[in-house]
Amino acid sequence: DGGITQSPKYLFRKEGQNVTLSCEQNLNHDAMYWYRQDPGQGLRLIYYSQIVNDFQKGDIAEGYSVSREKKESFPLTVTSAQKNPTAFYLCASSLGGANVLTFGAGSRLTVL
Amino acid sequence: SQKIEQNSEALNIQEGKTATLTCNYTNYSPAYLQWYRQDPGRGPVFLLLIRENEKEKRKERLKVTFDTTLKQSLFHITASQPADSATYLCVLGGGSSNTGKLIFGQGTTLQVKP
Repeated sequence: DGGITQSPKYLFRKEGQNVTLSCEQNLNHDAMYWYRQDPGQGLRLIYYSQIVNDFQKGDIAEGYSVSREKKESFPLTVTSAQKNPTAFYLCASSLGGANVLTFGAGSRLTVL
Repeated sequence: SQKIEQNSEALNIQEGKTATLTCNYTNYSPAYLQWYRQDPGRGPVFLLLIRENEKEKRKERLKVTFDTTLKQSLFHITASQPADSATYLCVLGGGSSNTGKLIFGQGTTLQVKP
């Protein structure tokens, strides 16, 4: 079955560490996205990519980095510069210019 | 700035009744509106999309309305079941004042009691 796989499901980080969240899709979708979800707030866009080897900052890109070397993969690195990284991170993809998103199951990051 | 509001209080209803969730927005004229379902600890799942020139759209027990004058969408679940218990997200997109990014509401949690 086609879908989006995020890993790990749960991740703990010590302050000062960088961590990378994996996102892989086998839907042949062109566009991929990373969102952050905090309690009581709507999803906020971190980064998005509409084509391989190209990506754009979203609304809250500071402290995060991404790469898009393959169509199927869009990993997100949460760097030590992100001051409040504890959150639920969601990866999504969409086909071409369509804006209906298919989401992964999410990764919950906790800073100890 | 563009703003989208969903009822932050949980909606509790009895099984078999119709659940109605509200989404209001300001400072924006979206070209379309989407509704997603999200279960705890999971990613959202797309349910319905309605365009600005459509007043109503149905899918099985779901019905969405879109009033661009009131800047409001209503999401109805008829003959609700305990399995419908989840958080429902309203999402706006498109429109001349939008950069192409989607705008997410914070979601309304629905609890259907047997």
